[in-house]
Amino acid sequence: DAGVIQSPRHEVTEMGQEVTLRCKPISGHDYLFWYRQTMMRGLELLIYFNNNVPIDDSGMPEDRFSAKMPNASFSTLKIQPSEPRDSAVYFCASRPTLAGTTDTQYFGPGTRLTVL
Amino acid sequence: GDSVTQMEGPVTLSEEAFLTINCTYTATGYPSLFWYVQYPGEGLQLLLKATKADDKGSNKGFEATYRKETTSFHLEKGSVQVSDSAVYFCALSDKGAQKLVFGQGTRLTINP
Repeated sequence: DAGVIQSPRHEVTEMGQEVTLRCKPISGHDYLFWYRQTMMRGLELLIYFNNNVPIDDSGMPEDRFSAKMPNASFSTLKIQPSEPRDSAVYFCASRPTLAGTTDTQYFGPGTRLTVL
Repeated sequence: GDSVTQMEGPVTLSEEAFLTINCTYTATGYPSLFWYVQYPGEGLQLLLKATKADDKGSNKGFEATYRKETTSFHLEKGSVQVSDSAVYFCALSDKGAQKLVFGQGTRLTINP
């Protein structure tokens, strides 16, 4: 089975440009998570969805960040306008619902974003 | 709120050495505990997990025991290999919260 798919793997852009990161979760998984990883702050949860509905976006740093999940097989994280401090690796993860348990999250390979 | 504290890295060992990476947590409920590993250039992968007190998770020679009395979940391996070089993350998930809280990560380097 294919794992979580993210695109692009690398993105280099200039300050002020719009950036869109994409994620395809594992089929049948109804939770999707977006994380950001930096040296300074480690791994931070930005937002997560359940059945395509945003549940907790308290980690989204500011209004420049937005995330959508139009259907069960696709999600986007958009930064507009981008700033150099947004440079990081962005991970998408998904997991299924298992009644009565909290189970493993499956991570994609990440998108390394560099904003010049 | 819930939090996870890992031992500071980086950690450098010789091949076949014994490994311990300390992890303690703070949680209001009874969380599930995880160790994830991140190899260079890759995403995180689950290494092992434990869902209740005194459970032992194990995988690939790594072990960790859920200790409620000391709120700890230390990662151990008896004989490390060069291929174990990676960043290791301890994490918890409060069963009601649906999301993972990660420690800061510990970079492990194994020299031949």
